[in-house]
Amino acid sequence: QSVLTQPPSASGTPGQRVTISCSGSSSNIGSNTVNWYQQLPGTAPKVLIYSNNQRPSGVPDRFSGSKSGTSASLAISGLQSEDEADYYCAAWDDSLKGPVFGGGTKLTVL
Amino acid sequence: EVQLVQSGAEVKKPGESLKISCKGSGYSFTSYWIGWVRQMPGKGLEWMGIIYPGDSDTRYSPSFQGQVTISADKSISTAYLQWSSLKASDTAMYYCARHSSWFDPWGQGTLVTVSS
Repeated sequence: QSVLTQPPSASGTPGQRVTISCSGSSSNIGSNTVNWYQQLPGTAPKVLIYSNNQRPSGVPDRFSGSKSGTSASLAISGLQSEDEADYYCAAWDDSLKGPVFGGGTKLTVL
Repeated sequence: EVQLVQSGAEVKKPGESLKISCKGSGYSFTSYWIGWVRQMPGKGLEWMGIIYPGDSDTRYSPSFQGQVTISADKSISTAYLQWSSLKASDTAMYYCARHSSWFDPWGQGTLVTVSS
C-alpha cells in the first residue's frame, strides 16, 4: 500500500491528452512539492517534473505538472508511442521524514 | 556530467551477506544526499533510506529500519547498501539516486537475486 495514490493504469491514442492523478495527505503533498518520474521499460527511472511543475532540460513541453491541496496531476499532451512507460509521483513526507512514492501508473499508447 | 554508477548484478543464497555500491562523479559528493530505492519484480518504487556523505547522517524508512545498513565512504565518493542475512524476499532491483528535494540522477540499478 503506497502512501501516495495513483491509478494503476491509463491509456490514450497518439495525439491525445492524458492526465494521471496523485493523491496524498497534509503531511506530504499538502506541505511539500511533488515530483514525477518516468520509467521506460527496462530502464532506471528519471525525473520528468520537479517542484510541482518544473521540467528538467530535455523534457518536452508536452509534459506538465500541477498541484492543488493534497493532490497533484501529470498531463501529457500530443501523446506519442515513446511515452509508453510507468509514471510515479513522489513527495517528501514530514511524518515519515523521507520521500514517499505513488504506486505507479502504467501508461499504454493504443 | 553528474553520474551515479552502481556495482553489478549479484546472485546470492539465503542467509548470505551482501554489500552493493554506488559511485558518484561529476559533482561534490559530500554536498548531496544519496537515497536507495527498491523495486521488486513487477512492482513500484519504495524508498529505503538516505545518507548525507558529508557527515554520514543516515535516515531509514520504517519499512527497512533494521533490515539493511546504508553507509558511505566520502574519500572514494561511494555509497553502500548492505545486508547481513539475505532472504528470498530481498530479490529486487536496487537503485541509488542523488537527492536534493527530488531524485536526480539515478544509478543504472543493481539486480539482486536471492535463491537457494
